[in-house]
Amino acid sequence: AAGVIQSPRHLIKEKRETATLKCYPIPRHDTVYWYQQGPGQDPQFLISFYEKMQSDKGSIPDRFSAQQFSDYHSELNMSSLELGDSALYFCASSPNAGNTEAFFGQGTRLTVV
Amino acid sequence: GNSVTQMEGPVTLSEEAFLTINCTYTATGYPSLFWYVQYPGEGLQLLLKATKADDKGSNKGFEATYRKETTSFHLEKGSVQVSDSAVYFCALSEGYNFNKFYFGSGTKLNVKP
Repeated sequence: AAGVIQSPRHLIKEKRETATLKCYPIPRHDTVYWYQQGPGQDPQFLISFYEKMQSDKGSIPDRFSAQQFSDYHSELNMSSLELGDSALYFCASSPNAGNTEAFFGQGTRLTVV
Repeated sequence: GNSVTQMEGPVTLSEEAFLTINCTYTATGYPSLFWYVQYPGEGLQLLLKATKADDKGSNKGFEATYRKETTSFHLEKGSVQVSDSAVYFCALSEGYNFNKFYFGSGTKLNVKP
């Protein structure tokens, strides 16, 4: 069965550079969520989208932006990268039909050096 | 606000031992409660959930009961296996955004043969 696809799986960037993380949800899933998991930390909710509109926002820095496109894939853009942005970034998707399960991708590991 | 507190790890058990991982929560309304499992290098996988008080979630021999009176959702398994070694996250969600999770800090479980 198709799963949530995230790319790239690993990314190394230097401080002050920009990074773009991509998330391809499960087919027919119209809702996407982004989470950030720092080393040894619990995942923190960043932002979510439903039908290409931002549906909720968490602890996402102003340096980050995200959007969901017409094919429902989503991109997380991160600018002026800092060492503290090094983390595992998870994307999850779900159909927006009540209390339905979200499925997580394997994550993108971003390392800022 | 919303928060989840779970017991610190790592927890080390022998195969076939009984497992309990404690989880308590604070929520402003009527949350849904979840246990997620993360295997090394993998994304988060839903293990079980309960959406209202006194519900019991169960899957793969794991169980957890939603206790509103003690604001708890402890994870239990009667006989653990080496393959259960992973990090376990307790989480809650609340309101209209069912998959906007507040995670606990995670408990690493090591099961020895």
